[in-house]
Amino acid sequence: EAQVTQNPRYLITVTGKKLTVTCSQNMNHEYMSWYRQDPGLGLRQIYYSMNVEVTDKGDVPEGYKVSRKEKRNFPLILESPSPNQTSLYFCASSFAGGSTDTQYFGPGTRLTVL
Amino acid sequence: ILNVEQSPQSLHVQEGDSTNFTCSFPSSNFYALHWYRWETAKSPEALFVMTLNGDEKKKGRISATLNTKEGYSYLYIKGSQPEDSATYLCAFLSGYSTLTFGKGTMLLVSP
Repeated sequence: EAQVTQNPRYLITVTGKKLTVTCSQNMNHEYMSWYRQDPGLGLRQIYYSMNVEVTDKGDVPEGYKVSRKEKRNFPLILESPSPNQTSLYFCASSFAGGSTDTQYFGPGTRLTVL
Repeated sequence: ILNVEQSPQSLHVQEGDSTNFTCSFPSSNFYALHWYRWETAKSPEALFVMTLNGDEKKKGRISATLNTKEGYSYLYIKGSQPEDSATYLCAFLSGYSTLTFGKGTMLLVSP
């Protein structure tokens, strides 16, 4: 089954404790992206990757890191999480970053930073 | 950061009613306009990707139109059903890789 998976689905952590949210897709997509969803705000892009070893900042990259060492995986790293990073996070992928490609979203990760 | 506006913010209709929402976006540097449907506790799912001025797309009872010159897109639902209840998101692609989402229109269809 074609899908985007994220782990963990739920996470409660404390300020300053490094964490990684994994994202994997099995559709051989080149483009992958991370978004966060907060109440009253639309989905906001954190980082995206056009292909292996090619990443770039989205609209809200502060406090996050990503890597793209393999085509299928695009982990989101919070080196020192803070309470303002409490949010619902979505990973998404598409065949390419072009205008005609719809994005396939993962199930979401709900993160709480205390 | 680009401004993508959706209206109304929320909508409550009765089963069988037809309804429509608006997505407004910058009219310059247009690449594409995406529509997604997002049910509670699920992931957003793609409805349409529209690229040409005057584009019209249809999927069952849902259709969308696009006006890139004036910077708006309409999403129509004919004969709304309770299963149509969801948040409908539009997203504007201005460059090759950056997709900017609106805040969505939350639709509730009562039986």
